[in-house]
Amino acid sequence: SQQGEEDPQALSIQEGENATMNCSYKTSINNLQWYRQNSGRGLVHLILIRSNEREKHSGRLRVTLDTSKKSSSLLITASRAADTASYFCATDANTGNQFYFGTGTSLTVIP
Amino acid sequence: DAGVIQSPRHEVTEMGQEVTLRCKPISGHDYLFWYRQTMMRGLELLIYFNNNVPIDDSGMPEDRFSAKMPNASFSTLKIQPSEPRDSAVYFCASQRAVSEQYFGPGTRLTVT
Repeated sequence: SQQGEEDPQALSIQEGENATMNCSYKTSINNLQWYRQNSGRGLVHLILIRSNEREKHSGRLRVTLDTSKKSSSLLITASRAADTASYFCATDANTGNQFYFGTGTSLTVIP
Repeated sequence: DAGVIQSPRHEVTEMGQEVTLRCKPISGHDYLFWYRQTMMRGLELLIYFNNNVPIDDSGMPEDRFSAKMPNASFSTLKIQPSEPRDSAVYFCASQRAVSEQYFGPGTRLTVT
């Protein structure tokens, strides 16, 4: 499978703490994306990182990419209850415009 | 823009019935994707179109599933006949070139 795999499957933290989620994938990529899904809703794009980039920031989000290890991490700093959601990584596996989604990390931020 | 629009939002049907899910992508987007999400299998890509042409339908589970995109603003996913194991949330997403995908709210299908 070309899917990414997120780790951990579930994460529970206190509001204000940082949350780190990891994604590993199997084949070379052009781009890796992170998405968020709130319960009962569609996925929402968070950030895209290209294979020649190592780190990217967007607000409280920090994404890193290590192509040698075929892994990426998503860090959410100063978490809020509203960050409670499932987070997915998606990789394009050099195959074109289709992205393969992982199984997701379920994040719960306790107020 | 209203975003990706899907209808219906919920569908309950009996086994053996035909089900048609509809999607209107964001105007100007040239890619359209159909996904299925279940607890057991996660998010699965069923089929995607580029400029209304099906590019990869290898994710379509079996011949009971078919998808069409007659024009740039409309796509359908049809299941005939439906089975209980088809129960899932079906998402449509659109994309412009190589960029992020915009997902619709999904259709929750229950086949009894």
